[in-house]
Amino acid sequence: DGGITQSPKYLFRKEGQNVTLSCEQNLNHDAMYWYRQDPGQGLRLIYYSQIVNDFQKGDIAEGYSVSREKKESFPLTVTSAQKNPTAFYLCASSARTVINTEAFFGQGTRLTVV
Amino acid sequence: RKEVEQDPGPFNVPEGATVAFNCTYSNSASQSFFWYRQDCRKEPKLLMSVYSSGNEDGRFTAQLNRASQYISLLIRDSKLSDSATYLCVVIQFMDTGRRALTFGSGTRLQVQP
Repeated sequence: DGGITQSPKYLFRKEGQNVTLSCEQNLNHDAMYWYRQDPGQGLRLIYYSQIVNDFQKGDIAEGYSVSREKKESFPLTVTSAQKNPTAFYLCASSARTVINTEAFFGQGTRLTVV
Repeated sequence: RKEVEQDPGPFNVPEGATVAFNCTYSNSASQSFFWYRQDCRKEPKLLMSVYSSGNEDGRFTAQLNRASQYISLLIRDSKLSDSATYLCVVIQFMDTGRRALTFGSGTRLQVQP
């Protein structure tokens, strides 16, 4: 079955550590996105990538980094520079050139700093 | 001003009620519009696309008003299972070939027995 998979579902990080969240899709989508959601809030865009080896900062990129070495994969690293990383992280993908196509989401990773 | 704005709610309605949400967008170059539903602690899932002529899917009706730059979602005969947060999504297709996908912050609906 085609879909988008995030792992792990729950992640605990000690202060000062970097952690990497995985996002893999087999939908053959060019575009991939990372969003952060805080309790009771909407989705805020961290980074997005329209094609392999290309990515752009979103609204809240500070303290995060990404790579897009393969079409299927768009990992997000939460660095120690991100001062308040506890949140629900959602990865999405969509077909880049088809205008009226929706984005599909992974099940999310819930990151907690301990 | 936010690019996409929604009333956060919560909208508390009794079962069987009709409820409507609006979502305004600031960029007139916006080209595609969607409503997503998000259940508590879950990922958003597509509810319906919004077409220029308006569209209906069962109890749900979506409309687009380009002149006033808003989209709406109408839910008739509300069910308890409709309780969720409803997110509007606006897509712009840029000259560079990139798509900018912007979410509203969501409107929370609570349907009560």
